[in-house]
Amino acid sequence: QQQVKQSPQSLIVQKGGISIINCAYENTAFDYFPWYQQFPGKGPALLIAIRPDVSEKKEGRFTISFNKSAKQFSLHIMDSQPGDSATYFCAASKSGGFKTIFGAGTRLFVKA
Amino acid sequence: GAGVSQSPSNKVTEKGKDVELRCDPISGHTALYWYRQSLGQGLEFLIYFQGNSAPDKSGLPSDRFSAERTGGSVSTLTIQRTQQEDSAVYLCASSPPWDRVGTPLHFGNGTRLTVT
Repeated sequence: QQQVKQSPQSLIVQKGGISIINCAYENTAFDYFPWYQQFPGKGPALLIAIRPDVSEKKEGRFTISFNKSAKQFSLHIMDSQPGDSATYFCAASKSGGFKTIFGAGTRLFVKA
Repeated sequence: GAGVSQSPSNKVTEKGKDVELRCDPISGHTALYWYRQSLGQGLEFLIYFQGNSAPDKSGLPSDRFSAERTGGSVSTLTIQRTQQEDSAVYLCASSPPWDRVGTPLHFGNGTRLTVT
C-alpha cells in the first residue's frame, strides 16, 4: 500500500533524445507526486511535481504525465542533455501526512 | 537563503563506536526528516519531527538508532555501536508545516558514513 515502484533502474539516452521514467503507486490517498533530481554528492532537489486533478504538467523540457485510473505517472525529459545525467526519484505523499514515499531511483546517462 | 546544512559531510568510524550526525534545517521549517540512502539505492525513511516531537519512529532500523530535535531547529541522529551495515549516506530534509497539499522536501547534501 505504501510502495512506489519505479522503472527503469538505469537509462542511457542519446543527446537530444527523450528520456522516460515510469512510476506506479498503490495508495489512492496519495495526492502529491513530486520528482526529485540528484547529482553525485548532493541531496535530491525538487524538479517538478503534480497533483492528481491534472493529467499533465510541463516545465521547460520536463513533463509529468499522470494517469489516475491506472495509478501511474511518468517523467518525460525532452531534448535530453548531458547535464541531465543524474539519478531521478519519483515520490508520493498525502496532504496532512508526513511521510513521502520514494521510488528506488533511475540513473540516467545522456551520451554526448 | 541558506539551505539545509548537514555535518560532518563525511565520517569514517570503527565498528562498535558511536556517531552523531547533525542537521540544521531551513529557518522557519517546522518539519524535519531523516532518510538513509545506501549505495545505489533509494531513500529509506527513518524518522520525522514536527517541532520537537517525533510522531513516528517506526523507520529507525534498530534500537541503536535514535534522534532528537531541540528548539524546533537542529536535529541530531545518533547511531550507537555502529555496524558495517550502517554505512550509507544519511540525508536530512526540512519542509514547512503540512498545512496544505504539495509541500516539497528540501534536502541537505548528506553525511556519508563509513564503518570500517
